[in-house]
Amino acid sequence: EAQVTQNPRYLITVTGKKLTVTCSQNMNHEYMSWYRQDPGLGLRQIYYSMNVEVTDKGDVPEGYKVSRKEKRNFPLILESPSPNQTSLYFCASSPYGGTTEAFFGQGTRLTVV
Amino acid sequence: QQQVKQSPQSLIVQKGGISIINCAYENTAFDYFPWYQQFPGKGPALLIAIRPDVSEKKEGRFTISFNKSAKQFSLHIMDSQPGDSATYFCAASIALGTGRRALTFGSGTRLQVQP
Repeated sequence: EAQVTQNPRYLITVTGKKLTVTCSQNMNHEYMSWYRQDPGLGLRQIYYSMNVEVTDKGDVPEGYKVSRKEKRNFPLILESPSPNQTSLYFCASSPYGGTTEAFFGQGTRLTVV
Repeated sequence: QQQVKQSPQSLIVQKGGISIINCAYENTAFDYFPWYQQFPGKGPALLIAIRPDVSEKKEGRFTISFNKSAKQFSLHIMDSQPGDSATYFCAASIALGTGRRALTFGSGTRLQVQP
């Protein structure tokens, strides 16, 4: 089954404690991205990756890091989480170039206290 | 600035009624307009999409109306059902060159269809 898998689904952490949210896709897509979803703000792109070892900032990259060492994986790293990063996070993948349809994971609800 | 404005923020419709969600954009370089549907606890999924060279696209009970001159597009859900209750996002896609594209989302509309 074609899918984007995120882990964990839920995470509660404390301010400043580094964390990683994993994302994996099995569709051989070149393009992957991370979004955060906040009430009234829709989906805002954090980072995206055009291919292995190629990453770039989206609209709201501050406080986040990503890496793309393998085509299928695109982890999101919060080096020092803060309460304003409490949000619902989605990983998405698309065929080359971020074309038309984005396939989303099921989301990770992060709470930073 | 690449921006898509969506309204209303929330919508309550009776079963069998028509749900209408509106979006507007500024950048005329947008060339693809998808709508995503998100159920609670799930990620968004592509529902229906339209290109600006057509004024309307229909798939079952879902119709996109597109007004290029007004830079507006809308989603109509005919005969709305409780199972349609979800959050709907409009989006607009733009080519960035070298094969890359960017997808900009609206703020979302939470639709509740009452039985």
